[in-house]
This record gives sequence, structure tokens and C-alpha cells, in this order.
Amino acid sequence: DTEVTQTPKHLVMGMTNKKSLKCEQHMGHRAMYWYKQKAKKPPELMFVYSYEKLSINESVPSRFSPECPNSSLLNLHLHALQPEDSALYLCASSRTGGNYGYTFGSGTRLTVV
Amino acid sequence: SQQGEEDPQALSIQEGENATMNCSYKTSINNLQWYRQNSGRGLVHLILIRSNEREKHSGRLRVTLDTSKKSSSLLITASRAADTASYFCATDENGGFKTIFGAGTRLFVKA
Repeated sequence: DTEVTQTPKHLVMGMTNKKSLKCEQHMGHRAMYWYKQKAKKPPELMFVYSYEKLSINESVPSRFSPECPNSSLLNLHLHALQPEDSALYLCASSRTGGNYGYTFGSGTRLTVV
Repeated sequence: SQQGEEDPQALSIQEGENATMNCSYKTSINNLQWYRQNSGRGLVHLILIRSNEREKHSGRLRVTLDTSKKSSSLLITASRAADTASYFCATDENGGFKTIFGAGTRLFVKA
């Protein structure tokens, strides 16, 4: 299995909703990442988990809450989002760090209304 | 902060022509990577070149790295309509856990 699977592919949520994005990989990768990408912009790093521990938080607002239940799963819990949080959310994984490249999921297209 | 800067921002060529994209970066790196993204979906890893390498090939792709100039180029030879996509360079900080993407080049290959 050489894929990163993200669900759902599309999500529309209200500003008072709570939702979660899910990411799964079975490549034995020990680092997992969340990126946010706005239209026609490059991906921006949000969080990095290394060996299931949060190692980097790029000053992301607390309405985004990551969770890594085990080495194969990564969640992003969303609460009280703003319309400007609408974006493509990408999950990625790598062996350890980026020295061998990253495998990305197809992303979740999030719209906040 | 944006580590990689790419040019051109957009490139339109005919099928069969070669496409060259350039990337410049600011700090020292362990490696530089190139990714392709189709229609705002996931990124696909194309090639990784390490800081002690100067050139690397993969199929129709050729990547060069000049660490003295802090720049890299991606050459796609004999382009196809299916190569139409956005191409991003990416460099690493913080021991490789913090990868920063350049602004990207949007390539359009006309059939």
C-alpha cells in the first residue's frame, strides 16, 4: 500500500459545527503532516507529528486541533471555523523527516459557510 | 515564510516542446524536491535531489541543483498534454520535518 487516504473528499460545515478530517497510511511512515492550501497558492505547513508526538505547530489557531491516535492515523478536529478557513487540507506522510520525499493524500476540500 | 521562489509563474507550451522551471531558495538545505499537482488535488512527488548532487534524471524529467547559487531547475522534455499541472519545488528546514514549498509554476501544455 503506497497511498495516503483522506476522508472526506469534500466537507461543508457551518461556523458552529464540529467536524473531523481523517488521514490514514499503511506504509510504515513515522512522520505525518497537515498542510493547508488556498487556491493558486502553495501548501502551508500546519502540524507535524513524529513518532506519534506533535513536533511542529506552525502557530495554528486553536480551532484546529490535531490528533495522532497511532502511527497510521492522523486526525484534524475542526471547531468554530471561519469562512477564511475554507481551503484544501492535505495530509502527508514520510519515513522520518523529508529526506526521502513525502506522500500526499488527495486532500479534503473544506468550505465553511 | 516562503523558502522557494519559482519562475515563471505560468508557462504555456505546445505538446512536444520542452518545459523549464526554475526555483531559488534562501537558506542551506539537505535536499530539494519537486512535486506536481493536478487540478488542486494531492501533490505527487516527482524527484528529490540531495545537496551533494548536481543533476538527477527520472524518465522525461531532469533536475539540476546549484547550491552556490541556491537554485534548481526542472526540465520536462517532450511535454504532453497530461503534463498540464502546477509544479512546486520544496526545500527542508529543521532536520527535514519542515518542508517549505515555493509559489509554484503553472504549466499548460497545448495538444
